[in-house]
Amino acid sequence: GQQLNQSPQSMFIQEGEDVSMNCTSSSIFNTWLWYKQEPGEGPVLLIALYKAGELTSNGRLTAQFGITRKDSFLNISASIPSDVGIYFCAGQDSGTYKYIFGTGTRLKVLA
Amino acid sequence: DTGVSQDPRHKITKRGQNVTFRCDPISEHNRLYWYRQTLGQGPEFLTYFQNEAQLEKSRLLSDRFSAERPKGSFSTLEIQRTEQGDSAMYLCASSLEGTGDEAFFGQGTRLTVV
Repeated sequence: GQQLNQSPQSMFIQEGEDVSMNCTSSSIFNTWLWYKQEPGEGPVLLIALYKAGELTSNGRLTAQFGITRKDSFLNISASIPSDVGIYFCAGQDSGTYKYIFGTGTRLKVLA
Repeated sequence: DTGVSQDPRHKITKRGQNVTFRCDPISEHNRLYWYRQTLGQGPEFLTYFQNEAQLEKSRLLSDRFSAERPKGSFSTLEIQRTEQGDSAMYLCASSLEGTGDEAFFGQGTRLTVV
């Protein structure tokens, strides 16, 4: 199935460091969502973006909807151990309304 | 709890058996999605309902797979004659058409075909 390109694939960082990850698509999307998933659980919605150029924050998380509408970025500031998990981006197809997911960024935080 | 609910959480079945999963969306949500996720991958789209109408089906959804949402509320996903390659996490999500349309996921059903 179709998946978006997400990078990096995995990250090992020290507690307190900032984290950046991004997602790119060959298609234009009208909505970008960012999720976090922990083992054995469903994805949990973190941030939603609706307009090109939009910058939205949720606590220590900040996400941006790229100007080209083909990419999005997620930043996590001052990481803590509970940030461990897999982060997925998802873009909504404007014609069919289905969400297409990225390949995921696996984050590990070293205390 | 008003979140998306999936049942069962885990299912182990023998190859060749039929299985059925249920998804109860958030009550006012009119869109319902099914995804499949294998280890190390992102969720892959299977099918999508708007109210009771099934509007799109992925090529991943072979003839052995069928999904229904009879009254526009809960949905079922049935897999007939299961194969080992069907082993995966099956995720359901729902959203409300209109402003936002954020998709909220259930906890998933983990299927193991032995």
